[in-house]
Amino acid sequence: GAGVSQSPSNKVTEKGKDVELRCDPISGHTALYWYRQSLGQGLEFLIYFQGNSAPDKSGLPSDRFSAERTGGSVSTLTIQRTQQEDSAVYLCASSPGPLSSYNEQFFGPGTRLTVL
Amino acid sequence: GQNIDQPTEMTATEGAIVQINCTYQTSGFNGLFWYQQHAGEAPTFLSYNVLDGLEEKGRFSSFLSRSKGYSYLLLKELQMKDSASYLCAAHLLSGGSYIPTFGRGTSLIVHP
Repeated sequence: GAGVSQSPSNKVTEKGKDVELRCDPISGHTALYWYRQSLGQGLEFLIYFQGNSAPDKSGLPSDRFSAERTGGSVSTLTIQRTQQEDSAVYLCASSPGPLSSYNEQFFGPGTRLTVL
Repeated sequence: GQNIDQPTEMTATEGAIVQINCTYQTSGFNGLFWYQQHAGEAPTFLSYNVLDGLEEKGRFSSFLSRSKGYSYLLLKELQMKDSASYLCAAHLLSGGSYIPTFGRGTSLIVHP
């Protein structure tokens, strides 16, 4: 079956431009997570959605980052006025419900963002 | 902070057994996940522990001690394809929600 998909797979942008990253979770998964992974670093939690609501936005690095989810499905992560330190792989994951022994995260392939 | 500590790199021989340790802050803890990530690929789920003890799944086992804030992933009968990064992730309470908090990963190199 279809897994989590993300687009674009690669994005190169100039400093100061805005970018929008998209995540299509597995159908029926209510929970959706965004992470950032820089070279040699672990996954940095950014935000998660339960349905269309984001209970915790504290992981977003700055107010240039925002995310939304509509219809309990597709989510977009927007980075405004990109900076070079935003360069990373942005990973999305979805889960059938709240994380537990029955509900694991399924990760998408990621979007590699390069800010020149 | 909510530090998740695990070794940066480990090496082992094909056919051997390796144990990857992970320690985490115990306050607000609600479970621990292990993921495998091959270079250039997305992480994939390996195991989940919420109660003390050992969970066995084929060649992979994971152990948890809640009181010690300690977990390990045990890989038996190592194969070359097991060369990957192994990520420890603790569910920790943050702002009223349980958030997956990842360590930096342990890069395992399996050699012949």
